[in-house]
Amino acid sequence: QQQVKQSPQSLIVQKGGISIINCAYENTAFDYFPWYQQFPGKGPALLIAIRPDVSEKKEGRFTISFNKSAKQFSLHIMDSQPGDSATYFCAASMKGAQKLVFGQGTRLTINP
Amino acid sequence: GAGVSQSPRYKVTKRGQDVALRCDPISGHVSLYWYRQALGQGPEFLTYFNYEAQQDKSGLPNDRFSAERPEGSISTLTIQRTEQRDSAMYRCASSPMTGGNEQYFGPGTRLTVT
Repeated sequence: QQQVKQSPQSLIVQKGGISIINCAYENTAFDYFPWYQQFPGKGPALLIAIRPDVSEKKEGRFTISFNKSAKQFSLHIMDSQPGDSATYFCAASMKGAQKLVFGQGTRLTINP
Repeated sequence: GAGVSQSPRYKVTKRGQDVALRCDPISGHVSLYWYRQALGQGPEFLTYFNYEAQQDKSGLPNDRFSAERPEGSISTLTIQRTEQRDSAMYRCASSPMTGGNEQYFGPGTRLTVT
């Protein structure tokens, strides 16, 4: 059972534009929602994370928006750069469970 | 500082052989996780340890898979009698505290079973 659904599968954005990736979850016991960035041949790298007590978290050009009632969260990349081209994964975990449940991934391409 | 390291980076083995994959977590990290990642998919949880204790092995596919972390540092994931369907990227991650959610991933071991 896929507990975290991610969309789109692939995304092409022009340099300087805003990249938006969405995730939806089913389990209301999830209380931690990270985003990971993965470059080819590398392991996933923690990018930014949020807990459901806030609706938004911003770190530099990266922002997570969280909608608890809709059970959705999204990653926004402002002023997207070619170096942002990578695969992005959303994930979720429950308090005390520690294991992460990942979405299917989004391959982001930023055209120069 | 040094990140999570895994060895070997690539392993090709024949069906029916046993393989052992090694993970060396970030120094001082108390929690260690194993995931399996199919091509084009997100990592899928296998098992995890807090210190040397295996806390959850619910993601191990069957009893051919086992893991240990005897001294609370390096961990080994062992697959016995490998099958072609075991071919995948096996990733290890570590976390600085128990109950903490921040997980830092290693480069993975690409296992190919022929």
